[in-house]
Amino acid sequence: QKEVEQDPGPLSVPEGAIVSLNCTYSNSAFQYFMWYRQYSRKGPELLMYTYSSGNKEDGRFTAQVDKSSKYISLFIRDSQPSDSATYLCAMSVYNNNDMRFGAGTRLTVKP
Amino acid sequence: ETGVTQSPTHLIKTRGQQVTLRCSSQSGHNTVSWYQQALGQGPQFIFQYYREEENGRGNFPPRFSGLQFPNYSSELNVNALELDDSALYLCASSFATGNEQFFGPGTRLTVL
Repeated sequence: QKEVEQDPGPLSVPEGAIVSLNCTYSNSAFQYFMWYRQYSRKGPELLMYTYSSGNKEDGRFTAQVDKSSKYISLFIRDSQPSDSATYLCAMSVYNNNDMRFGAGTRLTVKP
Repeated sequence: ETGVTQSPTHLIKTRGQQVTLRCSSQSGHNTVSWYQQALGQGPQFIFQYYREEENGRGNFPPRFSGLQFPNYSSELNVNALELDDSALYLCASSFATGNEQFFGPGTRLTVL
């Protein structure tokens, strides 16, 4: 079993749809949870950052962490074609050190 | 402000050879982390350098080694290349450890 599990998709949705992306993990010591977006031929860029359990909202993006279930989610509201990318979850025990990434979910938003 | 840059963009090597990849960190950043991203996978942490010292290492063999220079740029060296070393190598810099990491575009290494 991988330490971080993420459904690789691909996921295809129409423009304006709500997108739900998820990861599960096995290491209960993880405290820091991140979502990155990676466009083709680019490095990942940080979208959302959460410490411990709870929700965090930033514009059209909402991140949720449920440490009791070892489950994290990213919701994208009013999805746009420009959101088409691979979304990577990442988590770590220590802040921004030795981050463990999921395999990434490839998302396509169709106009 | 210049972002994280990496060189070269692409590289082709043969099994058994050695390779050096380079990373220039973002201005003001003193911490550099290296990751290996195989096709269709998420990045895997190789190691982190903070102020020229190794500050954490992932599950990679010793033939993966690194350096950080006084200007905080960094090199990743891989000896005795294997076919499985073919991947995108990502460098990320941050202002001190524990802060947001900014990724470069990566170096695509192909080992034949």
